[in-house]
Amino acid sequence: EVQLVESGGGLVQPGGSLRLSCAASGFTLSEHYIDWVRQAPGKGLEWVGRTRDKAMSHTTEYAASVKGRFTISRDDSENSLYLQMNSLKTEDTALYYCARSSDNWNDVLHSWGQGTLVTVSS
Amino acid sequence: DIQMTQSPSAMSASVGDRVTITCRASQGISNYLSWFQQKPGKVPKRLIYTSSSLQSGVPSRFSGSGSGTEFTLTISSLQPEDFATYYCLQHNSYPFTFGPGTKVDIK
Repeated sequence: EVQLVESGGGLVQPGGSLRLSCAASGFTLSEHYIDWVRQAPGKGLEWVGRTRDKAMSHTTEYAASVKGRFTISRDDSENSLYLQMNSLKTEDTALYYCARSSDNWNDVLHSWGQGTLVTVSS
Repeated sequence: DIQMTQSPSAMSASVGDRVTITCRASQGISNYLSWFQQKPGKVPKRLIYTSSSLQSGVPSRFSGSGSGTEFTLTISSLQPEDFATYYCLQHNSYPFTFGPGTKVDIK
C-alpha cells in the first residue's frame, strides 16, 4: 500500500527548532516530488515548500513565510525526507502534512499523509 | 505571489441541490488549478486537477471548469457526504497558493 507517514511533531518554545519526518512505504520516495502543507488550528491550508525528485537533484522551493527558517532534506537510503524548522514562531503552530506530487505542473498533492502537529508556545 | 479568492466563503445547501463554488486568481494561471475537499478532522482529498480532470475514484457529480483567472467547482446533486470545506490551489507558479476555502453545510 502506498503510504506517507509524518512524525516528529510536538511542543516547542518560540525560537526553538524541530525536525519533522515524512516516511514512505509502497514507493520510492526519491523518485517523487514531495510537498509540505500546513494547517493552523481552525484555519485553511498553506503550502510550505517542495522538494523535487532525484532526477532534479532534490532541489527545493519554499513559501516566503518559512524561507530561511525551514529546510527540506532527504535521506534516500531511509526512504524518508525531513522538514527542519528553526527559529520557530507561534504562528508556525499547525498540523503539518507531507503530500506526493508528480514531476509535472499538472499533478500535485495527489496523496497525503495523516499529518503531525506542531505547537509553538511558551 | 498569486492570490486566490473563493466565493462564497460559506453556504448552506440541501441534499440534491446543485452547488457551484468559484475560485479566482489574481493573475492568469492557465489551467493549473486543483480542488480539494476536507471534512472535519480529516486529511484533505484531491477531487479535481488541471481545472477539470476528475481524480480517480471521485464521484462524477463533481466537475471543474475554467482557465486563466476564473474557475468553478460544481457538485451536480449534493449528497450527505459532500458537506465539507472545499479549497482551490494554484500550481502555476511558486509559491503555490490555496484559496481560503468554502464551507458547505446543511441547510
